[in-house]
Amino acid sequence: QQQVKQSPQSLIVQKGGISIINCAYENTAFDYFPWYQQFPGKGPALLIAIRPDVSEKKEGRFTISFNKSAKQFSLHIMDSQPGDSATYFCAASGGYSSASKIIFGSGTRLSIRP
Amino acid sequence: EPEVTQTPSHQVTQMGQEVILRCVPISNHLYFYWYRQILGQKVEFLVSFYNNEISEKSEIFDDQFSVERPDGSNFTLKIRSTKLEDSAMYFCASSTQADTEAFFGQGTRLTVV
Repeated sequence: QQQVKQSPQSLIVQKGGISIINCAYENTAFDYFPWYQQFPGKGPALLIAIRPDVSEKKEGRFTISFNKSAKQFSLHIMDSQPGDSATYFCAASGGYSSASKIIFGSGTRLSIRP
Repeated sequence: EPEVTQTPSHQVTQMGQEVILRCVPISNHLYFYWYRQILGQKVEFLVSFYNNEISEKSEIFDDQFSVERPDGSNFTLKIRSTKLEDSAMYFCASSTQADTEAFFGQGTRLTVV
């Protein structure tokens, strides 16, 4: 119940295209849904996050769509660029003790073809 | 820009030896975490720490692991007797509050031989 399921495992998109990564969760107590971007040899870096009181959040080329009833959320990267090539992790937290842990999805390795 | 710093960047140790991984969280943060990532796999929660005590820990965080905040700036993870399967990247993170943005360090790559 504490899992976050992420798909696809890997994704290849042409430069300028739209990259879409999907995630699903079970625990309705989750109330914070961040997306992290990770480059090889680096730590995860927060890209964008959403709380369940909104259905969409946009920051530049990155948009999170959130469907509370379906317990699903997705990341859309518009006008994908080669510099976006990285591993993306969806995550969820909330509903635990005073210092909530982040539950990560399994990751999507995104490659943007020039 | 403030950042979480971790040392060393790479640690090689023999099986059965003790290792201490060090972290300096962002100065005004109150919540501290350790995560690990086995090569090519997802990031896994180990432990969270607040108000000088462990708030939550995962099944991975057994008696071989301990955390400490020995002074006002450092946050350490100790593995008492390392096993081969402890080889992974270990990430420290910190946040101002629970359920908000956690900032991750660059990680320490631990190799147990």
